[in-house]
Amino acid sequence: GPKVLQIPSHQIIDMGQMVTLNCDPVSNHLYFYWYKQILGQQMEFLVNFYNGKVMEKSKLFKDQFSVERPDGSYFTLKIQPTALEDSAVYFCASSLLDWGYEQYFGPGTRLTVL
Amino acid sequence: SQWGEENLQALSIQEGEDVTMNCSYKTYTTVVHWYRQDSGRGPALIILIRSNEREKRSGRLRATLDTSSQSSSLSITAAQCEDTAVYFCATDPSSSFSKLVFGQGTSLSVVP
Repeated sequence: GPKVLQIPSHQIIDMGQMVTLNCDPVSNHLYFYWYKQILGQQMEFLVNFYNGKVMEKSKLFKDQFSVERPDGSYFTLKIQPTALEDSAVYFCASSLLDWGYEQYFGPGTRLTVL
Repeated sequence: SQWGEENLQALSIQEGEDVTMNCSYKTYTTVVHWYRQDSGRGPALIILIRSNEREKRSGRLRATLDTSSQSSSLSITAAQCEDTAVYFCATDPSSSFSKLVFGQGTSLSVVP
């Protein structure tokens, strides 16, 4: 089936540094999402993105977070600066249609902030 | 059952047994997604059930949805070892742009 790729699979950085998580969504999909999962906890919605704009973001999507998809390339999540509580697995997802349809998830990027 | 402040649940059954996982949700929705997540991978949709369906089947899987009680269930018939995974229910309370709200998940282990 359609695949979403995420690069890197694991990233270790020092607190205060900037990190960019990359997502290669399914090629014809129009809607993009980021979710955060802390070990042992449920996955939580961060942000959705359509037509070059953030449509909705949760309280977890702090001011230090930003997303973009320049020229149809990678859909990225940037955190600047990082904090210890940002350590988690971040999942990217994409969908062809919006509400009520399947989201395809990537394998996740495990971010460790030291 | 999943939701709220509950921790990840764990179930262990033997191959060939049937199992049902329950999900209660707080915010009104007309669609429930059931995902499975294998170790080291992202979630994969296994059944999406809408309020006008009440029940949906896919192979050995059966999902139900009761919007009046705000609950959904996923049943696996004659479980096999390859069904071992974490199963999540997710609702989409938004009426415009999608933002899935996941339950805590049920870790299912099927042993020979």
